[in-house]
Parts: sequence; C-alpha cells; structure tokens
Amino acid sequence: GDSVTQMEGPVTLSEEAFLTINCTYTATGYPSLFWYVQYPGEGLQLLLKATKADDKGSNKGFEATYRKETTSFHLEKGSVQVSDSAVYFCALSTARAGGTSYGKLTFGQGTILTVHP
Amino acid sequence: KAGVTQTPRYLIKTRGQQVTLSCSPISGHRSVSWYQQTPGQGLQFLFEYFSETQRNKGNFPGRFSGRQFSNSRSEMNVSTLELGDSALYLCASRSTGGTQYFGPGTRLLVL
Repeated sequence: GDSVTQMEGPVTLSEEAFLTINCTYTATGYPSLFWYVQYPGEGLQLLLKATKADDKGSNKGFEATYRKETTSFHLEKGSVQVSDSAVYFCALSTARAGGTSYGKLTFGQGTILTVHP
Repeated sequence: KAGVTQTPRYLIKTRGQQVTLSCSPISGHRSVSWYQQTPGQGLQFLFEYFSETQRNKGNFPGRFSGRQFSNSRSEMNVSTLELGDSALYLCASRSTGGTQYFGPGTRLLVL
C-alpha cells in the first residue's frame, strides 16, 4: 500500500538557519504530494503541494520538488524563523477517477521543528 | 470563503458512551474526509463522503460511522467509547482540484 516516511525528529535550529526535512514515499500510480503544518492546538494547514514529477511547490519561503526518480519530496527553507516552530507532515494522495483512494491522504509520522532565537 | 468548521472543539466522555462530531466544509466543496490523530498512531484516515455517499473507508471498527447531509455537512459517530478513542478528530473538505483543507479539529477525551 501507499506509505510516507519522514526524517526522524525533532529538529532544533537557530533562527536564520537552513532547514531540510526529508520525505520519501511509496505509492501506486502517480500521487500528488503535499506538505502540511500543524501549530500547537490547531488543525493542519496546507503549506505547499505538487501534482506531477519535477513540479516545485512553494509558499512562505518553503519549497519542495517532486522527484519521481528518487520518490522524494523534501521540504526546504533558506532561513527559518521562530514562528516556523511547528509540526510538519508530508502526505500523498493517489485519488483518481474510479479508484478506491478517493478522499484519502496518507501521512508521514510528522517532524517537530523548534527554532530558537 | 469561510474555512472548515468543526463542533464541538472539546469533548469529555466516559467509556461506553457515544459521541457525535460535526463538520461543515468550505462552501462549494462536496467531499468531506475524517481523520483520527493520536500520538502513537499519527494521522489515520477514517472515511470519506461525497454527495451523501461513503466513498472510501479506513481500517477502523464498525463503532466508527459517519454520514453526510444534502448541504455537504458531515457528522461522525463513535459508539461504545473506549479509552483508546481519545484523540484529535480532524475533518477535511476537498476541492475539485484535489486539495484537502482541514478544520481545527475536535479533541475527544474518554475517561
């Protein structure tokens, strides 16, 4: 079945440091890939997405490129801020017409990011 | 547009009781999915409804059920609550482009 693996956490960085959170996946067909962020006490917010190979999703300084050859979707940010402290989830969807995966996102285990001033 | 809303935000129940959670999707979205989030199991898919029909279901016991109304609002019900049902229950509405947008969740504590 479909699965997503994220790098082990937690990740602790100083403000303005470079961030990478690794994400690899296993899926049948051609999934869409997502990064969601969860702040304490809140639901999930969509951070960025990519729907086909070599697409780059970006938002708020975060970027991730859909790499089909390495089945990866690593999240990067050049300079993190204290306000980026949160839990980050990589997810995939293989929903397609007539398929059985409609409405289902498969998530990684989440990576806790803490940024210190 | 208003986002996904979930009520109530917090619930405390005792073992053996049942509970109903409500979700209102983004206006115009016809698909609603439910997820359970726990520290041990992470985020797990419960089920998805589209136009009042359950279209997909995760690997949860029959105590977990749901429904969707003609206005796309959805409810999920958990009967005979167990301690292990304590979790954050998240609802997401899906755009025609396939992206899911989440509500703030309902935090259920079973004592």
